[in-house]
Amino acid sequence: GENVEQHPSTLSVQEGDSAVIKCTYSDSASNYFPWYKQELGKRPQLIIDIRSNVGEKKDQRIAVTLNKTAKHFSLHITETQPEDSAVYFCALKPGSNYQLIWGAGTKLIIKP
Amino acid sequence: DAGVIQSPRHEVTEMGQEVTLRCKPISGHDYLFWYRQTMMRGLELLIYFNNNVPIDDSGMPEDRFSAKMPNASFSTLKIQPSEPRDSAVYFCASSRQGMGYGYTFGSGTRLTVV
Repeated sequence: GENVEQHPSTLSVQEGDSAVIKCTYSDSASNYFPWYKQELGKRPQLIIDIRSNVGEKKDQRIAVTLNKTAKHFSLHITETQPEDSAVYFCALKPGSNYQLIWGAGTKLIIKP
Repeated sequence: DAGVIQSPRHEVTEMGQEVTLRCKPISGHDYLFWYRQTMMRGLELLIYFNNNVPIDDSGMPEDRFSAKMPNASFSTLKIQPSEPRDSAVYFCASSRQGMGYGYTFGSGTRLTVV
């Protein structure tokens, strides 16, 4: 079945710097790519998503880029703040069904 | 909208006991998902329903696990008998086809089996 590889597993950045998390996939029929943020002890929450007919989407300090040819998509967070500390999950919807396939998660640590 | 509501928030039970987790999806959502989250395995999809019908239960670990959705506003996940390795956070999520594919998760049930 479809698989999503997420890197890195842990990312530590200085407050104010940018953070980039990357996910790769294999099924070219995948058509929806969301990113979720999970703070410690809380539920995963959708922060941004992109569809396969779009190459980039921005929402304030966060952006997602999609390269369909290379089969990877990335989350970009600029001007990081302490409240950005969390685990971030990428996911995708395979072309064949409705469930999401999840990456293993990236723990983002913002250093003061 | 109250969001996806799960109960209980925490459950501590002894090995061998039956455990029932409950979920109320967002009104109008036609998909409901049950996930299990652990440090070792991450987020695992156990089962999902569409219009109250189970579509894929291949993630249910074994026969001790069962899930039902008797109507559009309620679902249960039952473990009988429970074992210590079932200890995890169980999330319910719902979504609505046609509104994108993003899920809304409930707050989760932290299950501890001793």
